[in-house]
Amino acid sequence: ETGVTQSPTHLIKTRGQQVTLRCSSQSGHNTVSWYQQALGQGPQFIFQYYREEENGRGNFPPRFSGLQFPNYSSELNVNALELDDSALYLCASSLGTGRITEAFFGQGTRLTVV
Amino acid sequence: QQQVKQSPQSLIVQKGGISIINCAYENTAFDYFPWYQQFPGKGPALLIAIRPDVSEKKEGRFTISFNKSAKQFSLHIMDSQPGDSATYFCAATLTSGTYKYIFGTGTRLKVLA
Repeated sequence: ETGVTQSPTHLIKTRGQQVTLRCSSQSGHNTVSWYQQALGQGPQFIFQYYREEENGRGNFPPRFSGLQFPNYSSELNVNALELDDSALYLCASSLGTGRITEAFFGQGTRLTVV
Repeated sequence: QQQVKQSPQSLIVQKGGISIINCAYENTAFDYFPWYQQFPGKGPALLIAIRPDVSEKKEGRFTISFNKSAKQFSLHIMDSQPGDSATYFCAATLTSGTYKYIFGTGTRLKVLA
């Protein structure tokens, strides 16, 4: 177990709705990254939060937004859901100290948009 | 320039055999290369990682070989076991700024008993 927990584990939403996914980072980790993993593909970077500030963003539209809280837990919000948003959403936590450290992934949230 | 190409897409190995998965990258600035193992319905789990200042790293049955000049790295699983059956992803990242991981497309490994 990595100590990174995500909720919920599964979710079904209707096209056009909004969704919020949650991630609790590993104890002591101050950096959270979110990834989208489509079926049969590798994870794609959405964005990263470091000490409550966005610290980089991948090639995802603005309807994907996030938040990091003082306890370093994080949320991923997706507005105006599209069918192609159906994927496994992964959260990874790490300790950002200016040098690379390992990223530990949660079990993911399986989002299905119908 | 941000791509990481992984092969093969799938691999079948007999128990006790050697599994080899290859990755190639384009961005010479990448300086951290982890391998992740993912079981169905689970998140990726870090297996082993290497930095480009070494050519090989071994942890138990898992070895990464790194060829900086060819911009290639590979994962070798010695004495493959049925429990190793999973999808394996290579990744690459920069250790400065936003160290987002660029993942390969994955290799589905099946080890036959």
